[in-house]
Amino acid sequence: AQRVTQPEKLLSVFKGAPVELKCNYSYSGSPELFWYVQYSRQRLQLLLRHISRESIKGFTADLNKGETSFHLKKPFAQEEDSAMYYCALTGTGNQFYFGTGTSLTVIP
Amino acid sequence: GAGVSQSPSNKVTEKGKDVELRCDPISGHTALYWYRQSLGQGLEFLIYFQGNSAPDKSGLPSDRFSAERTGGSVSTLTIQRTQQEDSAVYLCASSSGLGFYEQFFGPGTRLTVL
Repeated sequence: AQRVTQPEKLLSVFKGAPVELKCNYSYSGSPELFWYVQYSRQRLQLLLRHISRESIKGFTADLNKGETSFHLKKPFAQEEDSAMYYCALTGTGNQFYFGTGTSLTVIP
Repeated sequence: GAGVSQSPSNKVTEKGKDVELRCDPISGHTALYWYRQSLGQGLEFLIYFQGNSAPDKSGLPSDRFSAERTGGSVSTLTIQRTQQEDSAVYLCASSSGLGFYEQFFGPGTRLTVL
């Protein structure tokens, strides 16, 4: 069963526009949720995690347990935000489940 | 300090051959994960190691896949009798623990099975 769904493979927004990358999950229990990012020619790296309640590079993500979502948001997109974004989940078994990723392009 | 390294960066092999992929984690990291990324797919969890505990092999797709971690450091992922569907990028990540700890990824090994 697919545990993490990212419905958009590709997303394009104009610079300065708000951006939202969608992530829905399926998991019984209390999962830990993450967003990982891969910039061009760089390694996959952590962007933010729910447990830290942090805002990184202007991005935030709110866990909505009712909608089982963990959407990533930024009010004003920048060109340097263009990258591949992966939503990920871990739970009691400590396995990690990643979504298929969303490729974000910020148009100048 | 040095990050996670993987070797080789690229591997081309013939169907039916065995391959070994290597991962050098960040020094001191107790947890090590292997993932497979096929074209157009997300990262598929394969296996993780944590300290001296028995590894969680629940993600290995078949008994042709195996992995070991020697001395709590270097790990090798072995694929026996490779098939064309094994072609993918194999990623390794290490972290200072399980669960909510940040994973640090290697550059990956691109495996092509002809």
